[in-house]
Amino acid sequence: SQELEQSPQSLIVQEGKNLTINCTSSKTLYGLYWYKQKYGEGLIFLMMLQKGGEEKSHEKITAKLDEKKQQSSLHITASQPSHAGIYLCGADRSGTASKLTFGTGTRLQVTL
Amino acid sequence: SQTIHQWPATLVQPVGSPLSLECTVEGTSNPNLYWYRQAAGRGLQLLFYSVGIGQISSEVPQNLSASRPQDRQFILSSKKLLLSDSGFYLCAWGPLGGTGVSGNTIYFGEGSWLTVV
Repeated sequence: SQELEQSPQSLIVQEGKNLTINCTSSKTLYGLYWYKQKYGEGLIFLMMLQKGGEEKSHEKITAKLDEKKQQSSLHITASQPSHAGIYLCGADRSGTASKLTFGTGTRLQVTL
Repeated sequence: SQTIHQWPATLVQPVGSPLSLECTVEGTSNPNLYWYRQAAGRGLQLLFYSVGIGQISSEVPQNLSASRPQDRQFILSSKKLLLSDSGFYLCAWGPLGGTGVSGNTIYFGEGSWLTVV
C-alpha cells in the first residue's frame, strides 16, 4: 500500500478557481515537502513544512501541515494555466532525513 | 549556486542491453545523492541513495545497480535491461546531514526517459 496518499489523483479546474490537494500519511512525519512537475521533466521544489500547524505561502500557493503532522494540504488561489502540472508530496520519515518518500501525485489541468 | 546534470535525456534500448545513466552535481561538496524512478501510475520510487563515495544503499530489489566513483558523480547501471525497467529516472541531491534536521530539501535533475523495447 502507498505510504503517502494524495487526493485527488487528477483535477481539472477553470482558470481563476481555487483548488486544494491533500496528502495524508499513516505515520507522523518529520517533514513534508511539496514539489511540482511538468510532465516528463524534473521536480521543482515548492515548500517544506516541519512543524505541526505550520503554514507557508508563496505567491498564490499555500501549504499547511496539521498539528499531528500526518496531513498536509496545498491550496492554490485563483488558478492560472501556469499552475498546471503534477503536484507531489514527499515525506521525511527518518528525522535524520536522508530520504524522501513520495505520493503518487495529483495531475492538475487548468482550463481557460 | 548548485546545479545537477543528468544524461542522456532520452534513451531507447533493446531488452538485454546494458544501461548507464550519469548524474553530476556542481557547487557543493559531500552531497547525498539519489536515484528515483517514476513509472506510470506508480509515483516516485526511491531506488538508491548514497551518503559518500562508494557507499550505496539499495531501497528495492531490482535489475539495476548504482555506483558513486567520485564525490559528485552518481551512476545508474544495468547489465541486461528488462522491459519493466522502462520509465522516467530522476537523479537528485541533498545536503550533507540530510534534509529535515538542516531544513533543506532534495533537488532534482531534469530526468532521463528510458524505453526498453
